[in-house]
Amino acid sequence: EAGVTQSPTHLIKTRGQQATLRCSPISGHTSVYWYQQALGLGLQFLLWYDEGEERNRGNFPPRFSGRQFPNYSSELNVNALELEDSALYLCASSIPLGQETQYFGPGTRLLVL
Amino acid sequence: KQEVTQIPAALSVPEGENLVLNCSFTDSAIYNLQWFRQDPGKGLTSLLLIQSSQREQTSGRLNASLDKSSGRSTLYIAASQPGDSATYLCAVKSNDYKLSFGAGTTVTVRA
Repeated sequence: EAGVTQSPTHLIKTRGQQATLRCSPISGHTSVYWYQQALGLGLQFLLWYDEGEERNRGNFPPRFSGRQFPNYSSELNVNALELEDSALYLCASSIPLGQETQYFGPGTRLLVL
Repeated sequence: KQEVTQIPAALSVPEGENLVLNCSFTDSAIYNLQWFRQDPGKGLTSLLLIQSSQREQTSGRLNASLDKSSGRSTLYIAASQPGDSATYLCAVKSNDYKLSFGAGTTVTVRA
């Protein structure tokens, strides 16, 4: 069974641009979570989607947004990129209602120049 | 706001020694607690998940305990091997399903 997949693996942008990151959950998982892992800051919860709805979000500005599609895949959009947005962005999926183990993808490394 | 602390930040042991990794959290109203392993530049691999009603979980050489009332969890790794070298993260899921992570313990097992 395929695990959580993310694309692209690496992304280089300049300040002010927009970045779009993609995630495909494990088959049968309806919940998708996004996390940011910036150097020296640890993993921070960004967003949680379930059944196409945003269920919860972490302490991030509105320029971090996303959506979940009918096939449960998800996009994370970061607008007006800032240097400090450079980080590893991890996506995870779980069975409905986020009750069980979250399975993580390999991440997208975003570099903002 | 849930705060998760992991001690020590780094640990270096000779092969064969047992590892003890500690995790503490400030809000005992948790849904579950999960231990992950992260290799450099890579995603997370789930090791063990302990539901709030459980006291421990075991998988092979790994054993994790949970004391919710005192806000503590401990991950034990028996007979460590060089392949166990990685960063180990503790994550606490609150009742709103948000996952709060500790900063991790970086383990080096010397051959």
